[in-house]
Amino acid sequence: NAGVIQTPRHKVTGKGQEATLWCEPISGHSAVFWYRQTIVQGLEFLTYFRNQAPIDDSGMPKERFSAQMPNQSHSTLKIQSTQPQDSAVYLCASSRDNYAEQFFGPGTRLTVL
Amino acid sequence: GDSVTQKEGLVTLTEGLPVMLNCTYQTIYSNAFLFWYVHYLNESPRLLLKSSTDNKRTEHQGFHATLHKSSSSFHLQKSSAQLSDSALYYCALNNNNAPRFGAGTKLSVKP
Repeated sequence: NAGVIQTPRHKVTGKGQEATLWCEPISGHSAVFWYRQTIVQGLEFLTYFRNQAPIDDSGMPKERFSAQMPNQSHSTLKIQSTQPQDSAVYLCASSRDNYAEQFFGPGTRLTVL
Repeated sequence: GDSVTQKEGLVTLTEGLPVMLNCTYQTIYSNAFLFWYVHYLNESPRLLLKSSTDNKRTEHQGFHATLHKSSSSFHLQKSSAQLSDSALYYCALNNNNAPRFGAGTKLSVKP
């Protein structure tokens, strides 16, 4: 079991460019979560899917952030027109269900110049 | 809505002293599952403890916590801090809604 896989591990974009982050959850896990981690805000919930369906995206900045889960083996987080304040570590996690332990990926460190 | 509060942003201790990191939560659901995750530098957060049973102590790797539904608390404790315990600790709540994490407490253990 490779655990949760996230790619790329580091991404540098220029202001205004688009960034797409990928997550491959643990096989058999029905819930997939996206978080943003910053020193100031800590671990911020962004969105989650259950059985590929979007369940709660209340943490997503609505205008430029979007997430999809086209199949059970991967999810993407897309940030359009990136801004310096989007710089953070983006973590993906998966779990068997909504009440179970979450397994986190290594994160993608996004730097917007 | 649901929320988790970790009031200490930073706890600095001398090695050997007891650790207590506070966690309180709010939820309207009776079936709350509480978790403590530990995040070491350059690693991913991982589970340290979990509980959904009222007044039952749960232990792992020298740490322990007891879920008290009457006070909505799930404080993390350890009798003697070690240098290797230095990390970021998150308390989290799972129930019918999306998981909620506290802001995190950075534990710094000094010699």
